Amino acid sequence: GDSVTQMEGPVTLSEEAFLTINCTYTATGYPSLFWYVQYPGEGLQLLLKATKADDKGSNKGFEATYRKETTSFHLEKGSVQVSDSAVYFCAQHGSSNTGKLIFGQGTTLQVKP
Amino acid sequence: GAGVSQSPSNKVTEKGKDVELRCDPISGHTALYWYRQSLGQGLEFLIYFQGNSAPDKSGLPSDRFSAERTGGSVSTLTIQRTQQEDSAVYLCASSLELLVGEQYFGPGTRLTVT
Repeated sequence: GDSVTQMEGPVTLSEEAFLTINCTYTATGYPSLFWYVQYPGEGLQLLLKATKADDKGSNKGFEATYRKETTSFHLEKGSVQVSDSAVYFCAQHGSSNTGKLIFGQGTTLQVKP
Repeated sequence: GAGVSQSPSNKVTEKGKDVELRCDPISGHTALYWYRQSLGQGLEFLIYFQGNSAPDKSGLPSDRFSAERTGGSVSTLTIQRTQQEDSAVYLCASSLELLVGEQYFGPGTRLTVT
């Protein structure tokens, strides 16, 4: 069935370090892919998305490229800030056309000054 | 404009009691979704509505769970005879249409069953 697997955390980085959070998916088709972020004490927010192969989603310095050949959607940021500390969720639209999102387990990022 | 709102924000209930969780979607959003976030299960999809209709209820964890939506707006998730394993954060989201537009999430209702 459709699923999303992302790297386990927590990930601890120093400010200005490079960030990669790996995400791979399994699906019967070519689903839209998403990264959501949950800041401490806040709700889930869409960070970026890509709807087809080779699309690059970007927002707030974060990027992710939809790679059909490796079924991946890794999240990257060149220089993290303390304010980026949050839980990051990779997600896909399942192939059922219900609009339901299938989420990975979440990766906690802690950025230290 | 206003985002998705949920009430109550926190609910503590005794095992065996019934609870109702409310979601107010963004005005004009025809699609509405319920998810559950728990430590052991992560984020799991429960049910979606297109208008007032919920075509697929297979994501609900048991027959103690039910949901309805009225007037194409407010939705209520009801859990009967609550169990400790129902303790979780229940999230509601809405989007302009099914599969169209971003899903905007509410702040969630934290349910604790004692």
